[in-house]
This record gives sequence, C-alpha cells and structure tokens, in this order.
Amino acid sequence: LAKTTQPISMDSYEGQEVNITCSHNNIATNDYITWYQQFPSQGPRFIIQGYKTKVTNEVASLFIPADRKSSTLSLPRVSLSDTAVYYCLVGDKEKLVFGTGTRLLVSP
Amino acid sequence: EPEVTQTPSHQVTQMGQEVILRCVPISNHLYFYWYRQILGQKVEFLVSFYNNEISEKSEIFDDQFSVERPDGSNFTLKIRSTKLEDSAMYFCASSEAGVNSPLHFGNGTRLTVT
Repeated sequence: LAKTTQPISMDSYEGQEVNITCSHNNIATNDYITWYQQFPSQGPRFIIQGYKTKVTNEVASLFIPADRKSSTLSLPRVSLSDTAVYYCLVGDKEKLVFGTGTRLLVSP
Repeated sequence: EPEVTQTPSHQVTQMGQEVILRCVPISNHLYFYWYRQILGQKVEFLVSFYNNEISEKSEIFDDQFSVERPDGSNFTLKIRSTKLEDSAMYFCASSEAGVNSPLHFGNGTRLTVT
C-alpha cells in the first residue's frame, strides 16, 4: 500500500506562493499522484494529478522529480479562501487512501 | 459542470436501525466509492465498486455494510444495524477511469446515530 507523508500544517500570508511537499517512497510504477483540497463539512475536491515531471492547471502546479518518490504542490499567490486541508494521494488499485493531510492557514 | 449528488444531507437515526445513503454519480463515470469522515478525523476509505461488484473494501466495511447500484443512476450505501460509532460524514465519489483519474466527491451525508 503506497503511503504518503506530508507536513501536518503550514502557515502563509495572502499573495504568497505556497509549496507543499509529499513523500511517497514506495510508489508503484503505474501509480499517479493526485492532490485534493477539503474545506470543513465539504467533500474533497480534486486539484491536480500527475505522473512525472510537471503539470500545471488554472489553480496549481505539481512538480514530480524523476524518481517519483516525492511531489510538490505549488499554489501561486494564495488567498484567504485557500485555507483548507490538502491531501496528497497515490493510487493503489481501487483503494485510494487519504492520509492526515496538510492544514494550510492563510492569514491577511 | 456535472456533480455527484448525495441525499439526504443529514440523517438522524436510532442505534440498531437500518439506514440507506443515496448517491447519484456523474453519468458517464464507471467507478464508484464510499468514504466516511468522523468529525475532526481524516477521510477513511470504505469501498470501491466497478462493473456491479466490489473492487476493494476496508476493514471498516464489515457485514453491516453493503452497497448497491439498483439502477443506472443511483449508488447506495446501506448500514444494516447502526451503531453510535457510525456517526460520521459519508462521502460518495465517482471517477471515469478508476483511482488514476480524478475522483469527484459529493458534499456528503451527515449521519447521526443516537
């Protein structure tokens, strides 16, 4: 079972870039890396997914080094509304397991 | 944008009663999931479902739990005899191509067992 490790919490200020790194040392060859965001009392929301190198969409970038044993979610210019829990997940057959996530607090 | 919808948003039941939580996944999705989140804790995997059968399940998903896709649109989670510790937020999710494609989550059903 591919396990992920992330910082428990991070603090930032509005307008800053935030980078959250996740380690997944035993990622399998076919596994993708996916990041989700969760606000209180809501379901997790897909942010970005990647397999290798770099992926960018309208909300975030995902950097994955060649060995794929870690990944970094980059949120450019965060705002107060980005305060949430961010989860890094690695596919494991049809059993995608959430870790404890990173609680990001954005302050004015 | 298509959404996963869950009903009811809040269900209160007495211990020992059966409950059915309902979900309408995104229409062209083939993979379906149930997760739960006890207040203040992490999101826990319960079960995945594909091609009318369970693909994976966790140790939480014991004989008291069952899932069903009774027609082409609904996906249900049944808890046969609820316990106090079943109180949680239950999230349904669907995806187009399994865990290596994005899972789309509903906004959950808050189950309170008294």
